[in-house]
Amino acid sequence: DQQVKQNSPSLSVQEGRISILNCDYTNSMFDYFLWYKKYPAEGPTFLISISSIKDKNEDGRFTVFLNKSAKHLSLHIVPSQPGDSAVYFCAASLSAGNMLTFGGGTRLMVKP
Amino acid sequence: NAGVTQTPKFQVLKTGQSMTLQCAQDMNHEYMSWYRQDPGMGLRLIHYSVGAGITDQGEVPNGYNVSRSTTEDFPLRLLSAAPSQTSVYFCASSYSPSATDTQYFGPGTRLTVL
Repeated sequence: DQQVKQNSPSLSVQEGRISILNCDYTNSMFDYFLWYKKYPAEGPTFLISISSIKDKNEDGRFTVFLNKSAKHLSLHIVPSQPGDSAVYFCAASLSAGNMLTFGGGTRLMVKP
Repeated sequence: NAGVTQTPKFQVLKTGQSMTLQCAQDMNHEYMSWYRQDPGMGLRLIHYSVGAGITDQGEVPNGYNVSRSTTEDFPLRLLSAAPSQTSVYFCASSYSPSATDTQYFGPGTRLTVL
């Protein structure tokens, strides 16, 4: 069973509006979470991360929120731009290990 | 600085054939790994290496072999290809195994096994 799930395979938003991508996890031992962005025919690139000791991390237009009690994290993009159109993967890691467990991805389409 | 390079970009194999997917990095990273990406499954770890001469299995290692004779190279071998190995394969590297160290991914190899 997948330990990290992204239940929305796709999301479409208008340019300038907020994009909210969601991710749920089942393993309470995960303590570090990351978001990767992937364009077609390219490898994923790191976007933003958050440690379990925090509930929010912000980097420019990108903010990640972590709700440990709900085992849920979300990525907010404000304002959304057409160049943000990509597949976004969330990933989680155990404190004692190095393996990343990835979600299935959400395809974001930002319409001009 | 080329980062992480992978060859070939595309490959079609027949069931039972063998091949090697090449991966190289020029960032002097100790940690390298191989993932496969399947629709709806995200990226799943196949094998990883924490340094030259050291490799270990990930989540889905069956049907794949790896070796790490140099810091720069980390080839992935399919000994007898099966249709279930049709996927997109990504190699990644980072300074250390820690999840807090950014992993850099190559552009991927799209493999089809008929």
